[in-house]
Amino acid sequence: EVVLIQSPATLSLSPGERATLSCRASQEVSSYLAWYQQKPGQAPRLLIYDVSHRATGIPARFSGSRSGTDFSLTISSLEPEDFAVYYCQQRVDWPPEYTFGQGTKLEIK
Amino acid sequence: QVQLRQSGPDLKKPGASVKVSCQASGYTFTSYGINWVRQAPGQGLEWMGWINGYNGDTNYAQSLRGRLTLTTDASTGMAYMELRSLRFDDTAIYYCAREVPATQNFDHWGQGTLVTVSS
Repeated sequence: EVVLIQSPATLSLSPGERATLSCRASQEVSSYLAWYQQKPGQAPRLLIYDVSHRATGIPARFSGSRSGTDFSLTISSLEPEDFAVYYCQQRVDWPPEYTFGQGTKLEIK
Repeated sequence: QVQLRQSGPDLKKPGASVKVSCQASGYTFTSYGINWVRQAPGQGLEWMGWINGYNGDTNYAQSLRGRLTLTTDASTGMAYMELRSLRFDDTAIYYCAREVPATQNFDHWGQGTLVTVSS
């Protein structure tokens, strides 16, 4: 069973700072890793797919990368609207079965 | 534009069943899958299951097999999630989400449906 472990659980930063969120897979996985942003009272929104491709309309300050089973979401310079909860997600089997990380809350310091 | 519109909130007693609908529009329904994801109060996202929009094939999370049924009506672009034998810990917001098969992600989501299980 693939488990996605996100760290840190909470990240406290100020606008303008750089944020790096981590998602570690418990075993080797494909490159179909995605990141989602969720704000209070809203549905999740797709940010990044295929490790590093920005979804439609997502600003260039969001980027994704991979090193082995470690995946990262980087926000180069935080805007006030970026403070939210972020989830990574991976398809782990066929027929399709998906798993999410437990989330990282990005809060204003 | 792509839209997924879900049915309204529901209140159920333990042991009852709930059926949530998801109306898809703005795209070819049979070219994409629909996944259901739920979120208990203050918790993270839990994947529940997948249904193929073309042929109705399904797969369910192990923890929900036997209680969950996903169906679609391709002629109307509707997807349905039925959960039976409801328990208090099934209280959650339930989301439908369109799956992009080629890239295995959920690019559009419904607004969510709050299902409350209470006696």
